[in-house]
Amino acid sequence: DQQVKQNSPSLSVQEGRISILNCDYTNSMFDYFLWYKKYPAEGPTFLISISSIKDKNEDGRFTVFLNKSAKHLSLHIVPSQPGDSAVYFCAARYYGGSQGNLIFGKGTKLSVKP
Amino acid sequence: EAQVTQNPRYLITVTGKKLTVTCSQNMNHEYMSWYRQDPGLGLRQIYYSMNVEVTDKGDVPEGYKVSRKEKRNFPLILESPSPNQTSLYFCASSPGQQNSPLHFGNGTRLTVT
Repeated sequence: DQQVKQNSPSLSVQEGRISILNCDYTNSMFDYFLWYKKYPAEGPTFLISISSIKDKNEDGRFTVFLNKSAKHLSLHIVPSQPGDSAVYFCAARYYGGSQGNLIFGKGTKLSVKP
Repeated sequence: EAQVTQNPRYLITVTGKKLTVTCSQNMNHEYMSWYRQDPGLGLRQIYYSMNVEVTDKGDVPEGYKVSRKEKRNFPLILESPSPNQTSLYFCASSPGQQNSPLHFGNGTRLTVT
């Protein structure tokens, strides 16, 4: 059973608008969440993370929100740029788990149109 | 430049022919891991290593072997590849410290016929 779910396989947004990518999880033992971005023919690159003790983390145009009661997190990109077009993976780590042992979602392909 | 290097980038082989995908990192990271990416399944962990001579199974270890004889290298070995191992493989490393993210290589696309 999938523990980290990204229910939208794709998302299309106009340049300059907000992109919202969603992620749901089922395991309450997750304590750390990350977003990775992946361009074609490249490996995933770390984008932003959030600890379960916070509900928001911001880094430039990227903000991650965590709603623990709903077991839901979202990535907001404002404003969206064509260079943001990529596949975005949500990932989670168990409390006390190894730093690298991440559970990934299936990914959401974001297309930002000029 | 800090990086995780995988070789080869592309590989086509036949069922049963042993192969090794190499992975090397130059960041002195303690933690290394292998993932495979398949359509509709996302990234799934194959094996990981917390440090030299310490390896452990991930979620999908069947059909794979790894070794960690030195800190920088973490090769993935397919003793007898099968078509269901056709996939995109990623090696990753991390310092292993609290909340440090994974750094990924650029991937190896393997096709087993």
